[in-house]
Amino acid sequence: QSALTQPASVSGSPGQSITISCTGTSSDVGGYNYVSWYQQHPVKAPKVVIFEVSNRPSGVPDRFSGSKSGNTASLTISGLQAEDEADYYCSSYTSSDTWVFGGGTTLTVL
Amino acid sequence: EVQLVESGGGLVQPGGSLRLSCAASGFTFSGHWMYWVRQAPGKGLVWVSCISSDGSITNYAGSVKGRFTISRDNAKNTLYLQMNSLRAEDTAVYYCARVTRYSGSPWGQGALVTVSS
Repeated sequence: QSALTQPASVSGSPGQSITISCTGTSSDVGGYNYVSWYQQHPVKAPKVVIFEVSNRPSGVPDRFSGSKSGNTASLTISGLQAEDEADYYCSSYTSSDTWVFGGGTTLTVL
Repeated sequence: EVQLVESGGGLVQPGGSLRLSCAASGFTFSGHWMYWVRQAPGKGLVWVSCISSDGSITNYAGSVKGRFTISRDNAKNTLYLQMNSLRAEDTAVYYCARVTRYSGSPWGQGALVTVSS
């Protein structure tokens, strides 16, 4: 199972919006509405910010949103804040009854 | 409070074995699939293995199949990962996570496994 494809880095200024893409195949991202996004701050465990493509867990700000079109999912963070600076990973359930992660994207808040 | 706590990490020589444990509390452990994910130093997250709520279904990433075994003891609310024939490339922080709505939440704090002579 190949890793999902994410950009290595994105950046934005406070208050701006950014979008991180996550491209897979019809066997994972395109085949199921089971895409999740995780936020990981340095030396911390990952935390889910979006599940099932577009659902936010309680406690996650509504500045975080998710979507999917075909084999590509996207995470959008609007109204960027300094504390959003972190690594972000997408993940999808697959047709092999396994999971696959993306390579990760480092978000820098300028 | 839902909590997962990994233990059992450490330094092991190439070819050696190690067993990780993940103690769960604050939720009905027997009602959830669980999975392990690892992260090599400075690298991204890589899914390793999953197990169904009753332990009857297990799956593995190709890189660990035949060397790692996932299991669980629902009476003890504990998840395990038995790692055999360890290689330098298995060096990583290993996280356990509860599967909820096909996502991992929450995750444990991680256990560092270092494979080196």
